[in-house]
Amino acid sequence: NAGVMQNPRHLVRRRGQEARLRCSPMKGHSHVYWYRQLPEEGLKFMVYLQKENIIDESGMPKERFSAEFPKEGPSILRIQQVVRGDSAAYFCASSPDRGRPNEQYFGPGTRLTVT
Amino acid sequence: DQQVKQNSPSLSVQEGRISILNCDYTNSMFDYFLWYKKYPAEGPTFLISISSIKDKNEDGRFTVFLNKSAKHLSLHIVPSQPGDSAVYFCAASVKFGADRGSTLGRLYFGRGTQLTVWP
Repeated sequence: NAGVMQNPRHLVRRRGQEARLRCSPMKGHSHVYWYRQLPEEGLKFMVYLQKENIIDESGMPKERFSAEFPKEGPSILRIQQVVRGDSAAYFCASSPDRGRPNEQYFGPGTRLTVT
Repeated sequence: DQQVKQNSPSLSVQEGRISILNCDYTNSMFDYFLWYKKYPAEGPTFLISISSIKDKNEDGRFTVFLNKSAKHLSLHIVPSQPGDSAVYFCAASVKFGADRGSTLGRLYFGRGTQLTVWP
């Protein structure tokens, strides 16, 4: 059973460009969470989604950031008009509906660098 | 607003000895707690968790203790091994939904403790 997959692993964008980060949850998982880790800090929650629904977006910046988890395909975190402060590691996690819903399993992360 | 705090940024322990990592939280609504281990350039790996209805959970070399009155939890690793060297994150959450199978909500993470186990 493959783990949580994220791509790309590294992404370089110039200021003002758009960044798209993809996350494929583990098989059988329908809950997806996005977190961001700034240098020397812990992970900060951004958004929690289920298929086609945003459950909690209280950690998302009000502008330029959006997320979706369509019925088919991976979850996408989209950052428009990136700025240097968006440089960070972005982690996706998933959890199952049944069995062990109390753990979130993390992907390897996407390291975004804004130049 | 840091609701989960790990006040020791680093800990150094000799191989074979006990490692004790500490974590404090401020939100009394938290009812589920987790520990993750993270190597550089990788995602966090789940280690062990504990529900607020318990005060101890053990899994092999790892034991988590929860003191709700003090809003404090700790992770004990015995015996420590060089492969345990990593950053350890404490996380807390509020579960929602009914009964068993309720969903884990967002995780609140501490800033992490770098554990170094030397031979």
